[in-house]
Amino acid sequence: TQLLEQSPQFLSIQEGENLTVYCNSSSVFSSLQWYRQEPGEGPVLLVTVVTGGEVKKLKRLTFQFGDARKDSSLHITAAQPGDTGLYLCAGATGANNLFFGTGTRLTVIP
Amino acid sequence: DVKVTQSSRYLVKRTGEKVFLECVQDMDHENMFWYRQDPGLGLRLIYFSYDVKMKEKGDIPEGYSVSREKKERFSLILESASTNQTSMYLCASSPNRSGNTIYFGEGSWLTVV
Repeated sequence: TQLLEQSPQFLSIQEGENLTVYCNSSSVFSSLQWYRQEPGEGPVLLVTVVTGGEVKKLKRLTFQFGDARKDSSLHITAAQPGDTGLYLCAGATGANNLFFGTGTRLTVIP
Repeated sequence: DVKVTQSSRYLVKRTGEKVFLECVQDMDHENMFWYRQDPGLGLRLIYFSYDVKMKEKGDIPEGYSVSREKKERFSLILESASTNQTSMYLCASSPNRSGNTIYFGEGSWLTVV
C-alpha cells in the first residue's frame, strides 16, 4: 500500500488568512489529485496535476506538484468559511490504482 | 455532469444481517470502486471492478463481496454485518484511462448495532 501523508491533520484559521496544506510520499505518482469533502457528502475533485513542477490555480487555490512527482501542496489565499471541509490528496500509479491521503480538516472561522 | 448515485444514505442494521449497498453511475465508466472512510484512516479501497463481472480485491476486502452484473451498477455486500463495519461507504467510478479522475457518490452511512 502506498503511503500518502497529509499535514497538518487539522487546521483552524480566521477568515482572510492564508494557509498551505501538504501531501507527501516516498512513492512517485503519474498524477496527483486534490479533493474537497464537505460533511455528509462524497469527495469532489478540485484539480489533477500531472507534470512534475506543475502549478495550477483555481480562483484562490493554488496547487503544485513536486518536481519529483512525490509530493504536492495546496495553498489557499484569503480563506473563506466556504473553504471549510476535508481536503484529500490522492496519487495515481496506473490506470486503476489511486491512493488517498488521510486528509486535512480545515475550519475557517468567520 | 457525472452522476454516481448510492441508493441508501443512512442505514441501521443488526449484527449478522446481510446488507446490500447499491451504486449506479450514468457515464458509461469502465471502472467502479467501493471505499470505506473512517476517522484517522482515510479512504480505504474495499473492492474495485474494471469491467462487467470482473472484480479485484482492494486493501480491505475481508467481510465484503461485490457484484457487477451490469456496467452501470456495482453492489457491495456484507454477508454478515459486524459492528466493526460501521462506517461511511463511498462508491466511485472512473473512465478507463490514465490520469484517472474518480467521481464519488454522496456516501452511505452504515451503522451496525
